[in-house]
Amino acid sequence: DGGITQSPKYLFRKEGQNVTLSCEQNLNHDAMYWYRQDPGQGLRLIYYSQIVNDFQKGDIAEGYSVSREKKESFPLTVTSAQKNPTAFYLCASSIAGAEAFFGQGTRLTVV
Amino acid sequence: AQSVTQPDIHITVSEGASLELRCNYSYGATPYLFWYVQSPGQGLQLLLKYFSGDTLVQGIKGFEAEFKRSQSSFNLRKPSVHWSDAAEYFCAVGGGGSYIPTFGRGTSLIVHP
Repeated sequence: DGGITQSPKYLFRKEGQNVTLSCEQNLNHDAMYWYRQDPGQGLRLIYYSQIVNDFQKGDIAEGYSVSREKKESFPLTVTSAQKNPTAFYLCASSIAGAEAFFGQGTRLTVV
Repeated sequence: AQSVTQPDIHITVSEGASLELRCNYSYGATPYLFWYVQSPGQGLQLLLKYFSGDTLVQGIKGFEAEFKRSQSSFNLRKPSVHWSDAAEYFCAVGGGGSYIPTFGRGTSLIVHP
């Protein structure tokens, strides 16, 4: 079945540590997105990519980095510069102009 | 810049009652509009979408939404709510070839038996 897969489902990060969240899609979508979700704040755009080897900052990119070396993959790294990383992270993909399809999310917790 | 407002943070309804969730958008051109549903700890699932044509669109799980350009609204409705409809609902706007979805803050639906 086609879809979008995020891993891991739960992730724990120590202070000062970088962690990488995986996002893979087999929908042949050009566009991919990373959102952060906090209670009561909806979805906020971190980064997006509309084509391989190109990506753009969203509204809250500070402390995060991404790569898009393959069409299917759009990993997100939460760096030590992100001071409040505890959140639910959602990856999505779409054909430009159409609806977004979402993964099941990764819950990141700082310990 | 595009934006979405969902004025209700929480909505409580009794099972079997009708439901309307409000969504207002700001967009410079003809918008593409979406409603998504999210269960706790899960990703978002598309309920329905509007691109053009008939302003009343039908979706999954018995939901429908009406696009009203004059009011910049895209309200979600269901004639009879089931307990399993309790979830978070998000309205989103986008459009054109450079589609970057913008989401509202969500409305939490609580269903009383």
